[in-house]
Amino acid sequence: EIVLTQSPGTLSLSPGEGATLSCRASQSVSSDYLTWYQQKPGQAPRLLIYATSNRATGIPDRFSGSGSGTDFTLSISRLEPEDFAVYFCQRYGSSSITFGQGTRLEIK
Amino acid sequence: QVTLKESGPALVKPTQTLTLTCTFSGFSLSTDGMRVSWTRQPPGKALEWLARIDWDDDKFYSTSLKTRLTISKDTSKNQVVLTMTNMDPVDTATYYCARITPLGYFDYWGQGTLVTVSS
Repeated sequence: EIVLTQSPGTLSLSPGEGATLSCRASQSVSSDYLTWYQQKPGQAPRLLIYATSNRATGIPDRFSGSGSGTDFTLSISRLEPEDFAVYFCQRYGSSSITFGQGTRLEIK
Repeated sequence: QVTLKESGPALVKPTQTLTLTCTFSGFSLSTDGMRVSWTRQPPGKALEWLARIDWDDDKFYSTSLKTRLTISKDTSKNQVVLTMTNMDPVDTATYYCARITPLGYFDYWGQGTLVTVSS
């Protein structure tokens, strides 16, 4: 079973700074099936990026995704106060689905 | 407008069976390519995928939990039901249902329902 490892576990930054979040897979993953979500306390996850680099409807262009094979990245430029949350990557397989353990983005 | 909502008991005792219902609207699970999934999240922890059911009634389960899970659908009622047997306090979590697109991402989620396992 493919394991997704996210790093860092916690990222402390200030509004206005840029953030880079990593998701590493234990085996090569199709870029069509790598997704990122944002989750705020008490809320369900929210779709951010699908198929590695496609922003979901309504997601600002300061969010971008990239990567291939086993290494994928979520980048957030010019952090806004509402961006401080937990971010999860997810991989879809024909018979199983895997989530990373999450990266907490906190205000420094 | 697509919506999903989870329902079920907030409290179950150890060894009991949990039954959760996901009632959805805005799409049909009999449409080609539609899928609905259950995922859970213990307090303060990561998301854990549990099970998925497809439009053609194919079913898939988490490897680690498959012996305890059963997923089913009632297309006429727009519902997906998940049962989990032999509940344990470590199963305390918020349980979410969500729609999965053909590209394998969860585009719509329910609000989640917190299930506590305690005697």
